Amino acid sequence: EDQVTQSPEALRLQEGESSSLNCSYTVSGLRGLFWYRQDPGKGPEFLFTLYSAGEEKEKERLKATLTKKESFLHITAPKPEDSATYLCAVQAEGSSNTGKLIFGQGTTLQVKP
Amino acid sequence: NAGVMQNPRHLVRRRGQEARLRCSPMKGHSHVYWYRQLPEEGLKFMVYLQKENIIDESGMPKERFSAEFPKEGPSILRIQQVVRGDSAAYFCASSPKIQGEAFFGQGTRLTVV
Repeated sequence: EDQVTQSPEALRLQEGESSSLNCSYTVSGLRGLFWYRQDPGKGPEFLFTLYSAGEEKEKERLKATLTKKESFLHITAPKPEDSATYLCAVQAEGSSNTGKLIFGQGTTLQVKP
Repeated sequence: NAGVMQNPRHLVRRRGQEARLRCSPMKGHSHVYWYRQLPEEGLKFMVYLQKENIIDESGMPKERFSAEFPKEGPSILRIQQVVRGDSAAYFCASSPKIQGEAFFGQGTRLTVV
């Protein structure tokens, strides 16, 4: 069964304290891995797509990396406005004709000033 | 270019009533997905539609739930005879192609009283 697991569930950082969020996945074949940000009461906001092991994407203080078993979202010198829930999702080969996403439970990040 | 539009944002229904949730995809997007987010749970796929066709409804409960995406107008997720367990946030996402990132609306928060 295709599965996505994120850790930790919650993370508290001081402003400027860099850290990483983990997303482990088990799929029959990976079509793509996606990172989203979700603020309370809002819909997920697209951040990155990664397609193959070794690929990296960056946006401001965020950098996403991908291996054959997991992805990391690195946050460098975070600011309070980076506080949100970060969601990881995969598209599996089995769903190649649908494009549906399988989501992890998310990591809730709180950055204190 | 307007994003994915969902309405209403909040919907309160009494047990046994019907709930209709609407979703207008982004311009140029012909692929629509519905996801449900239960309290303290991750996003779960419900159904995938293209214009006038249901492609994959493997995540949708067999009874009381239905979805459509007519040739003209928004996609509709319909829940008949709602029960308390249907209380959740329902998100619509759209994409221009089957594979790749999907863009989410702000969601409809359904409360069944």
